[in-house]
Amino acid sequence: ETGVTQTPRHLVMGMTNKKSLKCEQHLGHNAMYWYKQSAKKPLELMFVYNFKEQTENNSVPSRFSPECPNSSHLFLHLHTLQPEDSALYLCASSQELASGTDTQYFGPGTRLTVL
Amino acid sequence: GQNIDQPTEMTATEGAIVQINCTYQTSGFNGLFWYQQHAGEAPTFLSYNVLDGLEEKGRFSSFLSRSKGYSYLLLKELQMKDSASYLCAASDSNYQLIWGAGTKLIIKP
Repeated sequence: ETGVTQTPRHLVMGMTNKKSLKCEQHLGHNAMYWYKQSAKKPLELMFVYNFKEQTENNSVPSRFSPECPNSSHLFLHLHTLQPEDSALYLCASSQELASGTDTQYFGPGTRLTVL
Repeated sequence: GQNIDQPTEMTATEGAIVQINCTYQTSGFNGLFWYQQHAGEAPTFLSYNVLDGLEEKGRFSSFLSRSKGYSYLLLKELQMKDSASYLCAASDSNYQLIWGAGTKLIIKP
């Protein structure tokens, strides 16, 4: 257990569905991240939040919409996804964003399949 | 552009030693991380290097050469549970992590 939980662990959705991924960290961290992990590819940073404020949006399509109501919770809202969006979505947290040397702690991920 | 290179897959024998290499090109550099990821699980932190040299932590050691843009992870006395993917990531000038695609390590008895 890394102190970061994600639900659901597996999700199958159609292209017209709307779903949300949830992440919660119990580490008292101030920075949270969403990553996409596809087979044999590097982790792709999607969004970064620091003290609940979004600091990075790495050219992610608008069909992915993040929400960070507080420093402990992070959501990723999904709508009208494409089959190529099928991947493992990982949430991570770290103590601070200002110092990138802080270790990131990852959740187990949500395995998303878009039909 | 920014880039991390590491081998896609390696095979080693239980009890042996294996070295996983990683080369990086980043805009600025604020350190090099290694993570371990078992299939279906979260990546977990193994090591962080920002100065040249070798950092030893039990059976695992990590080496960094900043002038060469090179790091390696050394695993000794391999155990079957070490079968996993090993991810290399470099922190750039904006403290953003640039990730490699991971090296899948297969341990054979």
